[in-house]
Amino acid sequence: RKEVEQDPGPFNVPEGATVAFNCTYSNSASQSFFWYRQDCRKEPKLLMSVYSSGNEDGRFTAQLNRASQYISLLIRDSKLSDSATYLCVVNNTGGFKTIFGAGTRLFVKA
Amino acid sequence: GAVVSQHPSWVICKSGTSVKIECRSLDFQATTMFWYRQFPKQSLMLMATSNEGSKATYEQGVEKDKFLINHASLTLSTLTVTSAHPEDSSFYICSARTTGDLGGLFFGSGTQLSVL
Repeated sequence: RKEVEQDPGPFNVPEGATVAFNCTYSNSASQSFFWYRQDCRKEPKLLMSVYSSGNEDGRFTAQLNRASQYISLLIRDSKLSDSATYLCVVNNTGGFKTIFGAGTRLFVKA
Repeated sequence: GAVVSQHPSWVICKSGTSVKIECRSLDFQATTMFWYRQFPKQSLMLMATSNEGSKATYEQGVEKDKFLINHASLTLSTLTVTSAHPEDSSFYICSARTTGDLGGLFFGSGTQLSVL
């Protein structure tokens, strides 16, 4: 079993749609969690951190469920520019071991 | 956010040559940097963890004599792909975490290596 698992997609949604991505992790001792966005042939960029209390940044909402070892990302009112691969990232072992999920591809169409 | 500069952004070389990629933290000191490789439509694969002033830690299956890592200062790590072969063609990315920060990573812009 992979340490971090994501649905690879692709998710094809129309503009304005709401889309949700899920991610599970296997190490219960994982300490911090993030969502990154990666465009084709570009470096990943930090989208947002994920907290147990849930956090929101504009159209993006992230949620962490430690009991179920599950992370989610919700995108509301999808824009064409949201098309990218979204990476679930988990830090283990004092923050020095970072595990990347394989990514979920999103295509937003007009 | 913190800035990580990676150079060159792309390189084409002949089989058998060596290629050096530089990763610099521009506005912070990075005791630890990470090197990844990414093949098309696949996720980032951690190759090694670069520690300033000491030997790098390589992931299983990564040849340390093939991928030489040097982290001579708190702002510079280099990855040298020695005797490159076509199968080494890939997107190489470095990242760094600000000292003592358990938060997110900051990435260089990546290097696309094509070995002919």
